[in-house]
Amino acid sequence: DIVMTQTPLSLSVTPGQPASISCKSSQSLLHSDGGTYLNWYLKKPGQSPLLLIHEVSNRFSGVADRFRGSGSGTDFTLEISRVEAEDVGIYFCMQSLQLPLTFGGGTKVEIK
Amino acid sequence: EVQLVESGGGLAQPGGSLRLSCAASGFTFSNYWMHWVRQAPGKGLVWVSRISPDGSNTRYADSVKGRFTISRDNAKNTLYLHMNSLRAEDTAVYYCTRVFSGALGYWGQGTLVTVSS
Repeated sequence: DIVMTQTPLSLSVTPGQPASISCKSSQSLLHSDGGTYLNWYLKKPGQSPLLLIHEVSNRFSGVADRFRGSGSGTDFTLEISRVEAEDVGIYFCMQSLQLPLTFGGGTKVEIK
Repeated sequence: EVQLVESGGGLAQPGGSLRLSCAASGFTFSNYWMHWVRQAPGKGLVWVSRISPDGSNTRYADSVKGRFTISRDNAKNTLYLHMNSLRAEDTAVYYCTRVFSGALGYWGQGTLVTVSS
């Protein structure tokens, strides 16, 4: 199974300031079709997970452009350019290269 | 608008059974791979199972293999998860999800399964 490791475990951010979350996979997420299957989700309390970014850097429909994904191979980053109050929750990375699909442990983002 | 609505959760005894359902709407259900993902209280997200559009291809997490069965009825636009031999560690919120561009793009609101005597 591919192990996904996220850091940090938690972040406390002042509104308007940037935030960055790292996700590392135990093997490359590059598929033979050329795609890299790393995705980012936000889970707010009491809600189901929301897809933010798919295939490293593609924002899902309706996702604000302050969310940016980057990376390649085994190292990936989610950046929020200017954190807003509504961005609080737990962020997860997930690999969809192979089954079983596996998730990072999550990064809790709070507002200062 | 894509909608996924789970039902069927509740309290079950250890060793018991439950059947979860997921009613899909807003898209052509029979065209899509579907997955179940769960989240135990205070824990992270864990993939459970996947089924192909025509239902012929299924896969399971090792932790549920032999106990859970995923199925679908494309005429009813409904996904199922049949859960047998339930254990305390199966206690979780179960989410029905639809694939989007290789990711799990759409999620239901989840249904809580509690396994306890």
